[in-house]
Amino acid sequence: DGGITQSPKYLFRKEGQNVTLSCEQNLNHDAMYWYRQDPGQGLRLIYYSQIVNDFQKGDIAEGYSVSREKKESFPLTVTSAQKNPTAFYLCASSHLNTRDLQTRRAFFGQGTRLTVV
Amino acid sequence: GQNIDQPTEMTATEGAIVQINCTYQTSGFNGLFWYQQHAGEAPTFLSYNVLDGLEEKGRFSSFLSRSKGYSYLLLKELQMKDSASYLCAVRDRTGTALIFGKGTTLSVSS
Repeated sequence: DGGITQSPKYLFRKEGQNVTLSCEQNLNHDAMYWYRQDPGQGLRLIYYSQIVNDFQKGDIAEGYSVSREKKESFPLTVTSAQKNPTAFYLCASSHLNTRDLQTRRAFFGQGTRLTVV
Repeated sequence: GQNIDQPTEMTATEGAIVQINCTYQTSGFNGLFWYQQHAGEAPTFLSYNVLDGLEEKGRFSSFLSRSKGYSYLLLKELQMKDSASYLCAVRDRTGTALIFGKGTTLSVSS
């Protein structure tokens, strides 16, 4: 069954600790994205990647890091430098180089809710 | 800079029609998407516009005017299950990143 999988669904972290959120897709998508969503807010772009071993900062990259060693995987590390990490994190993926532009739509994982305790 | 504006909240009654507007100012344009998001869940795709005009898909339609930087999502025959947030998103000039507005929370009452 094809899709995009995020784990874990809920994550608790102590202040000062780094934590890594997993995102895997088997849709053969080129691009992958990480978004953060706070209550009453839209999705804000953290990082995105168009190709293996390459990624770009989004609007709120400070305090986060990513890697793209495999096409299927795009893990996000929330570092201790992120001042307010409690949020809902969404991973997404999409095709990039298809003629039908609608197929370039983003598919989302179910999200990881991170809470700092 | 990039800016996408939507109303924060809207209310409507079952069976009615509601129009959710979205205006955008972005550096380049490669298509506009509408997503639906129920609380605590992932957004799901509703519609896509890249050319001016109306795209209809069942009870949902979306309109785009590129010259005005304007789109709307039209929901007909509203049902209680349509209570959700509706997110407008624009693909940027690189054709890669999706930039989202803050979303419009729609409450449907009986």
